[in-house]
Amino acid sequence: ILNVEQSPQSLHVQEGDSTNFTCSFPSSNFYALHWYRWETAKSPEALFVMTLNGDEKKKGRISATLNTKEGYSYLYIKGSQPEDSATYLCAFRAGANNLFFGTGTRLTVIP
Amino acid sequence: DGGITQSPKYLFRKEGQNVTLSCEQNLNHDAMYWYRQDPGQGLRLIYYSQIVNDFQKGDIAEGYSVSREKKESFPLTVTSAQKNPTAFYLCASRPAGPNTGELFFGEGSRLTVL
Repeated sequence: ILNVEQSPQSLHVQEGDSTNFTCSFPSSNFYALHWYRWETAKSPEALFVMTLNGDEKKKGRISATLNTKEGYSYLYIKGSQPEDSATYLCAFRAGANNLFFGTGTRLTVIP
Repeated sequence: DGGITQSPKYLFRKEGQNVTLSCEQNLNHDAMYWYRQDPGQGLRLIYYSQIVNDFQKGDIAEGYSVSREKKESFPLTVTSAQKNPTAFYLCASRPAGPNTGELFFGEGSRLTVL
């Protein structure tokens, strides 16, 4: 089992603040890096799948970057809203069916 | 609406009993997966299936069994041989295509062994 680390484990921000989280993963055997958003009592939903070094993806106020050579990805949320409160999971794909998940970053946005 | 349905959401079991968790999808996806979540740990892969009548062990398959008799169904049996079965279980699926594709998840089943 490969080690995928996410930081911080949790954070609280005020509505309107921008924030970012980190996902660290092995820099070898890279296939893809996934980001998922998991709201309480719902199913995790994919935000981004990133495959190329230097990839930058954006969905609304949320964006992500990828550095496969040094083994990290950042997720940014601009102008956080209460509906952004969720656990954000990253997952490193090392092969066809080998998807290794981090423990997640739990974000709470305070109105 | 297309999606993945897991049942039951909550399940209590006595030690020594087998229990089966249901996972049904109407997304016409080929691959299906079972993950386990424990506090402070990332999701860990139990079993996966890429096609009907075929499945493979994941990282923590001991004490679990699965079947894939239909494309839309991938039930997981937690047997009495599983030493620590209390956990949250997530089922997921993925369409055929690039191996980099995202997973689609159900809402999970929480199993508690009394």
